[in-house]
Amino acid sequence: DGGITQSPKYLFRKEGQNVTLSCEQNLNHDAMYWYRQDPGQGLRLIYYSQIVNDFQKGDIAEGYSVSREKKESFPLTVTSAQKNPTAFYLCASTRAAGGQETQYFGPGTRLLVL
Amino acid sequence: RKEVEQDPGPFNVPEGATVAFNCTYSNSASQSFFWYRQDCRKEPKLLMSVYSSGNEDGRFTAQLNRASQYISLLIRDSKLSDSATYLCVVLSGSARQLTFGSGTQLTVLP
Repeated sequence: DGGITQSPKYLFRKEGQNVTLSCEQNLNHDAMYWYRQDPGQGLRLIYYSQIVNDFQKGDIAEGYSVSREKKESFPLTVTSAQKNPTAFYLCASTRAAGGQETQYFGPGTRLLVL
Repeated sequence: RKEVEQDPGPFNVPEGATVAFNCTYSNSASQSFFWYRQDCRKEPKLLMSVYSSGNEDGRFTAQLNRASQYISLLIRDSKLSDSATYLCVVLSGSARQLTFGSGTQLTVLP
């Protein structure tokens, strides 16, 4: 089945630790996105990538980093500089960047700080 | 002012009721509009796009008023399975990014 997978489902981070969240899609989509959702709030854009080897900061990029070495993969690293990382992280993709196309979401990763 | 504002609810309605959600957006140049549904602890899923002429999909009707920068979603004959959070989403800007409202929570009661 085509879709977006995220792993792990739950992730625990210790203080000062970098952690990486995986996002893979087999939809042959060009654009991929990372969002963060806090309780009772909407999704906020962290980073997005419209094409391989290129990515742009979203509204809340500080403390995060990404890479886009392959079309199918867009991993997100939460660095120790992100002081409040506890949230629900959602990866999404769309066939063409910024078009009328629907964004498809992965099942999400819940990150908790120990 | 938030770019996309929704009444957070919660809306608690009996089965069979009609319920309406409203959403306002601040960017008059916004290009496209959507309603997404998000179940508890799950990812958002597209419910329907919103067109200027209004559009209907079964029990769901979406309306857009560009002059007032206002979007609505009407659910008729509510079902228990309609219980979820409904997110108003707007596509705008030169980078054509999606901006999400914080969502309206609906609980349909038996």
